[in-house]
Amino acid sequence: GQNIDQPTEMTATEGAIVQINCTYQTSGFNGLFWYQQHAGEAPTFLSYNVLDGLEEKGRFSSFLSRSKGYSYLLLKELQMKDSASYLCARMDSNYQLIWGAGTKLIIKP
Amino acid sequence: IAGITQAPTSQILAAGRRMTLRCTQDMRHNAMYWYRQDLGLGLRLIHYSNTAGTTGKGEVPDGYSVSRANTDDFPLTLASAVPSQTSVYFCASSDSPSLHTGELFFGEGSRLTVL
Repeated sequence: GQNIDQPTEMTATEGAIVQINCTYQTSGFNGLFWYQQHAGEAPTFLSYNVLDGLEEKGRFSSFLSRSKGYSYLLLKELQMKDSASYLCARMDSNYQLIWGAGTKLIIKP
Repeated sequence: IAGITQAPTSQILAAGRRMTLRCTQDMRHNAMYWYRQDLGLGLRLIHYSNTAGTTGKGEVPDGYSVSRANTDDFPLTLASAVPSQTSVYFCASSDSPSLHTGELFFGEGSRLTVL
C-alpha cells in the first residue's frame, strides 16, 4: 500500500501474545484502522485510533503514536481462530483509507 | 440479514466482455465504496460515493465505472474486461464519508477471473 508498512507474515503460539506493527506516512493523517480478514472472507473492523495511546477491547488492543507514524495491534491469549490476515489502514485528509498489504498471522498449537 | 450483498460471488469472463458487479446495502448508509484486493497488495479504492447521486474516483479507476442512483445500490461496471482486472472485488459502506464511527462494512466479495 501507499506508505503503509507492516510485516508480511508472523507466527505465534496458541495462548501467547503477539504484536503486529504498522508504520505509515504521517502527512494528512485522520485516523488509523485495524481490520481482520480470514482467508476467503471479507475484512471485519477491529479498531480505530485517532488519538495517541492504547485502546483496549477484550483480547485485542491497538496503540497509536501520531508523531512517530506508528501503530501496533496487540493480541493476547491467542486462539486458533485468530489465524487470519490483519490489515492496517490510515485515513488520509480526504477521508479515504490507504491500506497496507496485511500481515498474515499463523497460530500454532 | 442486514448488511451488504454482492453478486455474483464468482465469475469467469472472456476478455473484451462487459460485466457489472452488483452491490446492495440495507443499512441506509450514505457512503459506498468499491475496492479490489490482489495478492501482496493492500485493498485499493476503485470508485466511491459519498451520497446518492454523487460518485468519485479512487486510486485505480481506469476501466471501471459506477453509478449511485439511490442510497442502496452501487453497481460497478467493467466496460471491456482485461486480464489485469482479474481480482477479488469488495463493496463496502459506511454511515458517513468521514468514518466518524470508525467502521467500514464489507460485502463478501466477488471473485472475477478475466481470461
